[in-house]
Amino acid sequence: KQEVTQIPAALSVPEGENLVLNCSFTDSAIYNLQWFRQDPGKGLTSLLLIQSSQREQTSGRLNASLDKSSGRSTLYIAASQPGDSATYLCAVRPHSGGYQKVTFGTGTKLQVIP
Amino acid sequence: EAGVAQSPRYKIIEKRQSVAFWCNPISGHATLYWYQQILGQGPKLLIQFQNNGVVDDSQLPKDRFSAERLKGVDSTLKIQPAKLEDSAVYLCASSRNRASTDTQYFGPGTRLTVL
Repeated sequence: KQEVTQIPAALSVPEGENLVLNCSFTDSAIYNLQWFRQDPGKGLTSLLLIQSSQREQTSGRLNASLDKSSGRSTLYIAASQPGDSATYLCAVRPHSGGYQKVTFGTGTKLQVIP
Repeated sequence: EAGVAQSPRYKIIEKRQSVAFWCNPISGHATLYWYQQILGQGPKLLIQFQNNGVVDDSQLPKDRFSAERLKGVDSTLKIQPAKLEDSAVYLCASSRNRASTDTQYFGPGTRLTVL
């Protein structure tokens, strides 16, 4: 059974700082890994999706990396802004072939202080 | 493009009462998901529909939870009777299909409090 862990559970940083969020998964036989953002009272918004054959994906100030062999992914946020304050979740999809159920991590709650 | 709609946004009930949630996915999306997100945890898949057929309901507590997706569009999730541990946010999501590369689009969720 796939287990996805995110550490730390909460993080508070001053505005402008670069930061890294971590995601670990126990079964390396994944098809892809996705990072989501969740704002209070709202649903999840997809940020980046990394296929198992890729090492990283970039979008603006965000960079996500994937190391399948070690069961890890990181989300790098450059020059953090107060608007980045939210909970960040990673989700893992099993390897292709038949039905694939996504497993979510527990999330990291980020607060960027002006 | 309109997003995934859910209602109500908030619901407070007493234990042993019944409650129903409604979801309208993005137009044309064949796959619909219901997730339960307990405070401090990640979303847990309850049920997944492909059109109006159930693909996975392995984590749905079938003794009290039920869901349907009539005509392969809107969906309702019902809890009867509710327990204290059902307090959570219920998220609906949809995707064009169930392919691995299809992004899931989430609704705002319904926050359920069971007293």
